[in-house]
Amino acid sequence: NAGVMQNPRHLVRRRGQEARLRCSPMKGHSHVYWYRQLPEEGLKFMVYLQKENIIDESGMPKERFSAEFPKEGPSILRIQQVVRGDSAAYFCASSPLAGRNSGANVLTFGAGSRLTVL
Amino acid sequence: GQQLNQSPQSMFIQEGEDVSMNCTSSSIFNTWLWYKQEPGEGPVLLIALYKAGELTSNGRLTAQFGITRKDSFLNISASIPSDVGIYFCAGPGGSQGNLIFGKGTKLSVKP
Repeated sequence: NAGVMQNPRHLVRRRGQEARLRCSPMKGHSHVYWYRQLPEEGLKFMVYLQKENIIDESGMPKERFSAEFPKEGPSILRIQQVVRGDSAAYFCASSPLAGRNSGANVLTFGAGSRLTVL
Repeated sequence: GQQLNQSPQSMFIQEGEDVSMNCTSSSIFNTWLWYKQEPGEGPVLLIALYKAGELTSNGRLTAQFGITRKDSFLNISASIPSDVGIYFCAGPGGSQGNLIFGKGTKLSVKP
C-alpha cells in the first residue's frame, strides 16, 4: 500500500530552465496539495487540486508556476524559467476528503522533491 | 493572515529527559495536528486533536488541545535518540481544508 510518491527526489536545474515535479497520491485519495519548504522554515501552502480541477491556488506565485492533476496520471507542479530563489523542497500531500470550511484535513505527505537551481 | 507561533525554536536535551513544546495561533482553531519531519523526509502525522481540552497520547507522545482553542501542546516523555527531528504544529489554513504550519521545533537528543 504505497504512500504518496514523489519524483524526482532531487532535481538540479540551471537558471532559466524548467522544473517538473510529479506526485502520485495515495491509493483512494483524489485530493492533492502542494507545499514549499525553504531551509529552516515551515511548509507553505501553494495549491490544492482535485482531479482535473484547481480548487485553491492562493499560495502559488502568479508567474512561472503552474499545477495540474489530470484525469489519468500524477499531479504535476511545473516551474518555468527557474531562478535561484526557487531552490526549496516541494512536498505533495493527499487526502481522501474534500476540503471543508474552517476544518482541517489530515494530510499524508510524500518524501518531497528537492530542487536546486544553480 | 493566520499565523502559528511555535516555541521553542530548538531544544538540545539529554536522552531520557522529557520535552515540552507549544504552538499558539492568532485565531481560534477547531483542529490541531502535530507532525514530525526527519532529515530528507516529509512530515509524518503524530497526533490529531479535534476538541478543545482534548488530551491524546501516541506512545510516549501526548498532545493537548488548549481550552482557549488558540493553543496546543506536545510533550515527549523519556526521550530517545530517534526522537530527533523537527516537530511542526498545523491547523486549518483557510476555506479549502489546507493546512497552515508553524516554523517547527528542532529537537536534538544527546545519547
